[in-house]
Amino acid sequence: GDSVTQMEGPVTLSEEAFLTINCTYTATGYPSLFWYVQYPGEGLQLLLKATKADDKGSNKGFEATYRKETTSFHLEKGSVQVSDSAVYFCALSTSGSARQLTFGSGTQLTVLP
Amino acid sequence: NAGVMQNPRHLVRRRGQEARLRCSPMKGHSHVYWYRQLPEEGLKFMVYLQKENIIDESGMPKERFSAEFPKEGPSILRIQQVVRGDSAAYFCASFQTGAQNTEAFFGQGTRLTVV
Repeated sequence: GDSVTQMEGPVTLSEEAFLTINCTYTATGYPSLFWYVQYPGEGLQLLLKATKADDKGSNKGFEATYRKETTSFHLEKGSVQVSDSAVYFCALSTSGSARQLTFGSGTQLTVLP
Repeated sequence: NAGVMQNPRHLVRRRGQEARLRCSPMKGHSHVYWYRQLPEEGLKFMVYLQKENIIDESGMPKERFSAEFPKEGPSILRIQQVVRGDSAAYFCASFQTGAQNTEAFFGQGTRLTVV
């Protein structure tokens, strides 16, 4: 079945550091790929997405590129801020929409001032 | 434009009691998903509903769990005779009918604690 494996946390960085959170997937067909962010006490918010190979999703300084050859969708940000502290989830959907999602286990990011 | 509303935010139940979790989707959304997040884990799909119809319940335990989404009112996830292993955060997500490649909007979740 479909699965998502993401880098285990927690990850602690200083402000303005470079961030990478690794995500690889296994899926039948051609999935859409997503990164969701969960701030403390909140629900999940869609951060970015990519629907086909070589697409790059980007939002709020975060980027991720859909790599079919390595089945990866790593999240990157060049300069993190304290406000980026949250749990980040990689997810996929093979239904062609952002509906039924298979999630990774989440990576807790803490950014220190 | 209110987002997806879930209540209660926190629910404490003793073993053997019933838990009822409510989800009001965004205005105009008639499709709802329920997910469960166990401690230190990602979200796991439970059930997919549209109004008055269960589309896919393959992720829901066969016993004690049920879900509905009536024509009027919120979607309800019901857990009967709760056990400690049911302690988790339960999230609901809604999306717009008929739209492809659309975003699912999540509620803030209900954190169930079974004591």
